Amino acid sequence: NAGVTQTPKFRILKIGQSMTLQCTQDMNHNYMYWYRQDPGMGLKLIYYSVGAGITDKGEVPNGYNVSRSTTEDFPLRLELAAPSQTSVYFCASSLGLAGGQTGELFFGEGSRLTVL
Amino acid sequence: AQSVTQLDSHVSVSEGTPVLLRCNYSSSYSPSLFWYVQHPNKGLQLLLKYTSAATLVKGINGFEAEFKKSETSFHLTKPSAHMSDAAEYFCVVTSSGGSYIPTFGRGTSLIVHP
Repeated sequence: NAGVTQTPKFRILKIGQSMTLQCTQDMNHNYMYWYRQDPGMGLKLIYYSVGAGITDKGEVPNGYNVSRSTTEDFPLRLELAAPSQTSVYFCASSLGLAGGQTGELFFGEGSRLTVL
Repeated sequence: AQSVTQLDSHVSVSEGTPVLLRCNYSSSYSPSLFWYVQHPNKGLQLLLKYTSAATLVKGINGFEAEFKKSETSFHLTKPSAHMSDAAEYFCVVTSSGGSYIPTFGRGTSLIVHP
């Protein structure tokens, strides 16, 4: 089982460039999330999805977009990269709490993005 | 609504001494609580979880946590620290009401001195 796979692991962007962070999971989880991690700030939720075709904003959505066309994939799009988007990005998935599930999050290994 | 507060941004201990990482939470519904660990330049790994079963929860690597509803706390402990325990620890709360959105604390950096 691969779990949650994120690509790329590292990327350097110039201001104004666009890119997509890919995330895929093979556990048939309904819930998927994108977080960003900045030093001393914990993890901030960017966007989340409760199933294919359904997405919603988290705490810090500005400058990002997502889509969820399949259960497996949840890509994060940066349209016009800014230095404030320099961060480590984590994708996660979960079965939630329905049906007695425990709500455990499964994380990818992270994508380190630098915008210069 | 839900929130979680990790009371210490850094905790420093000597190898072989006890570890206490403090976490308080608030939740409008019955909470599920988690501790995750993140080693440098790595992803997050589940240490342990509380989901309304036993209030004393045992996790991996000798860690445990006790759910105290009256104190709205879920502190993480370990009897004897090891150098390999040096990492960032996150307390996370979720609840059954509304959308399933886990909320993270800011993290506690555990420093272990030889």
